[in-house]
Formats: sequence, structure tokens, C-alpha cells
Amino acid sequence: DAGVIQSPRHEVTEMGQEVTLRCKPISGHNSLFWYRQTMMRGLELLIYFNNNVPIDDSGMPEDRFSAKMPNASFSTLKIQPSEPRDSAVYFCASSSTGISGNTIYFGEGSWLTVV
Amino acid sequence: DQQVKQNSPSLSVQEGRISILNCDYTNSMFDYFLWYKKYPAEGPTFLISISSIKDKNEDGRFTVFLNKSAKHLSLHIVPSQPGDSAVYFCAATRAARQLTFGSGTQLTVLP
Repeated sequence: DAGVIQSPRHEVTEMGQEVTLRCKPISGHNSLFWYRQTMMRGLELLIYFNNNVPIDDSGMPEDRFSAKMPNASFSTLKIQPSEPRDSAVYFCASSSTGISGNTIYFGEGSWLTVV
Repeated sequence: DQQVKQNSPSLSVQEGRISILNCDYTNSMFDYFLWYKKYPAEGPTFLISISSIKDKNEDGRFTVFLNKSAKHLSLHIVPSQPGDSAVYFCAATRAARQLTFGSGTQLTVLP
């Protein structure tokens, strides 16, 4: 079975450019999460969707960040305009029962570098 | 304001010895705690969990201990193996809401 699929795996972009990260959750999962990993703060939850509806976006750092889930099999995280401090690994994860820990499956991450 | 803290960014142990990874939390409402393991260039994967009604959960070489009065949990790995070298994240949740993660501890098991 395919796991959570993220693209791109690596992205290097210039400050001010728009960045779009993509995620395909595991088929049948009804919850999707976007996390950001940094050295200082570890894994931070940015936003999570349940049945394609954003439930909690309190972790989204600024208005420059936006996330959408137009259908059950696709989500995007967009940063516009990007800044160097946005450089991090962005993980998408999905779950079949909401958040109950061991049912959350992570993708391999999108490594973003903003120069 | 980090509600889940892993104060040791790194830990090195000899193969065959015990590894002890620590985690502290501030929110007394957390009722479920988890450990995730992450290898380089991969996403985190679930390792072991514990409910707040228990103080110990064991799975093979891995044991998680919970001390609610101290708001502290720890992961014991014994015996440690080189393949255990990874970043370990502690996480907590309340009422099955979103997971709050710590900053991670890099474990290196030396052969």
C-alpha cells in the first residue's frame, strides 16, 4: 500500500517566491495534518483537516501560509511570499480516526530552503 | 511556549547498554503520550504509547514510563542496538485532539 505521498521532496527557492507543497494522504484516511520541523521547535502542527474541512489552523504562523484540501485525496500548503525563516522540513500526515497517535502516518517530508 | 519539552538534543550510548530518553510536559490535561522515531530523510513513525491511567507500557526492548505527578515520561531501550540510532520525538495529546511534539532527541548507539 502506498503511504502518504509528498511533493516536492526538495525545494530551493528565492525569497519572495511562492512555494506550493503537495500531499496525497493514504486512501481512506479522513484526517490530514501539516507539520513543520525545525531544529529549535521540533515538530509543530500547522493545520489539520477532518473530512476535508480545516478544523484547527491555529498553528499556521502567518497570513503568508495557507492550506487547502479540495478533496479527500489531495492537499496543498502554500507560502506566499516565502522568507528565509520558512526554511524547514514540512511533513504531511494522515489518519483514519482523527488524532489518536499511533494511527497517524507521516510522509517523507518536503525539504524547503528559501535563500 | 512549548508544552512538551525534550531537554537533551542528543544522547550517545554503547551497544548493549540501556538508552533512556526523557520528556517533560506542562499541560496536566494531556491524557495520552507517544514516542515517535525518525530516521534521516524519512517521516516519523510511531513507536510506543501510554495512557495517563497507566505508569508503564512495555513492548519488547522498549518501555515507556509515565510519572504524572512530575509531568515526566521516559523511554527506555534495552539492550540498545545500532539500528536504534535515530531522532526520537515525544508527543502528547488531550481528548484525542492534535498531537503536540517535543523538539526531539538524537540517539546514537555506538557499536
